[in-house]
Amino acid sequence: GESVGLHLPTLSVQEGDNSIINCAYSNSASDYFIWYKQESGKGPQFIIDIRSNMDKRQGQRVTVLLNKTVKHLSLQIAATQPGDSAVYFCAENEGYSTLTFGKGTMLLVSP
Amino acid sequence: SQTIHQWPATLVQPVGSPLSLECTVEGTSNPNLYWYRQAAGRGLQLLFYSVGIGQISSEVPQNLSASRPQDRQFILSSKKLLLSDSGFYLCAWSVPTDTQYFGPGTRLTVL
Repeated sequence: GESVGLHLPTLSVQEGDNSIINCAYSNSASDYFIWYKQESGKGPQFIIDIRSNMDKRQGQRVTVLLNKTVKHLSLQIAATQPGDSAVYFCAENEGYSTLTFGKGTMLLVSP
Repeated sequence: SQTIHQWPATLVQPVGSPLSLECTVEGTSNPNLYWYRQAAGRGLQLLFYSVGIGQISSEVPQNLSASRPQDRQFILSSKKLLLSDSGFYLCAWSVPTDTQYFGPGTRLTVL
């Protein structure tokens, strides 16, 4: 896993807005990608995943987009709610047993 | 359904004391198991992972060790804690090359 600096990138949105959290990955051979949500003091929670043979996948209020050309992953959250406030991590896997985690992004949702 | 447990939830230990953190998984067989450490405001650092009983891979040399005495039990240990061992310790499980699911974590403070 990667370590990040003490200041996480932060995205501040208003309740009801759509949020987009971005992640750049480095390994062009990665074939599986995951988004996690981590609330303060808790373990990361699986949100959604996508395999490299897809470029879009939708869940409940969340959509993950994968652009393999530029090695970019994004998480879109529709109608963001205060309960969505957390740190969001992307992770990639090249078919090995371990994941490589990206730097987290803190999402702050104001009522 | 699968569940993952960690204990204790919080721990305060003096420098030089031993450590034992336990992780157990229910509802699956022969999972991959992982130990991560997360310092405050930072990403996830993989410490150890195991693909089977008695099989441990170390990612970061340090004064910690891991053991897997049973298929669904993973233990993180230290003989003598350092101040730098403070952090949030997370256990995770997965089926090979798939999503990792995290436990609730243990908050360790070394004084």
